[in-house]
Amino acid sequence: EIVLTQSPGTLSLSPGERATLSCRASQSVSSSYLAWYQQKPGQAPRLLIYGASSRATGIPDRFSGSGSGTDFTLTISRLEPEDFAVYYCQQYGSSGWTFGQGTKVEIK
Amino acid sequence: QVQLQESGPGLVKPSQTLSLTCTVSGGSISSGSYYWSWIRQPAGKGLEWIGRIYTSGSTNYNPSLKSRVTISVDTSKNQFSLKLSSVTAADTAVYYCASSLVWSGGNWFDPWGQGTLVTVSS
Repeated sequence: EIVLTQSPGTLSLSPGERATLSCRASQSVSSSYLAWYQQKPGQAPRLLIYGASSRATGIPDRFSGSGSGTDFTLTISRLEPEDFAVYYCQQYGSSGWTFGQGTKVEIK
Repeated sequence: QVQLQESGPGLVKPSQTLSLTCTVSGGSISSGSYYWSWIRQPAGKGLEWIGRIYTSGSTNYNPSLKSRVTISVDTSKNQFSLKLSSVTAADTAVYYCASSLVWSGGNWFDPWGQGTLVTVSS
């Protein structure tokens, strides 16, 4: 089973700053199988990025995804107040779909 | 885009079977365009994919839960369902239903239902 490890666990930043979130896989993952989600308290996750770098419908262009192989990154170019949330990466492997443990982006 | 809504008991006793239903609106569950999944999240923890079903009835399950999980589809009601047997406190979680597009291989989930909390307790 492929394990996804997200870092850091918590990211403390101010509005307007750049956020860089990492997702590392225990073995190589096809970029086609890598997605990112945003989750706010009391809400369901929302798809942000699929195929490692494609933005989902309605997602602002300040969100971008990159990476390949075992290392993937979600970047938020300029944090807006509504971006403070928990972010999860997700991949498909032989055991089905698995998620990272999440990175919390909090207001500094 | 379809919308999803979970329903079912919020409290289940240990050793019993958890049963949830997801109602699909804004599209037909029989369209063949989507896979239909269940995902859960214990309080304060991460997300765990439980399993999925296609319109044909074909299923895939998380190996760690496979022996206890059954997912079925009722096309006449535009619903799909989850049954998880022999539950314990470790099965307490918010349960989400979610869809994924067939053309994508079902490799990402969008949209999701709002989630329903199921507590396992006597």
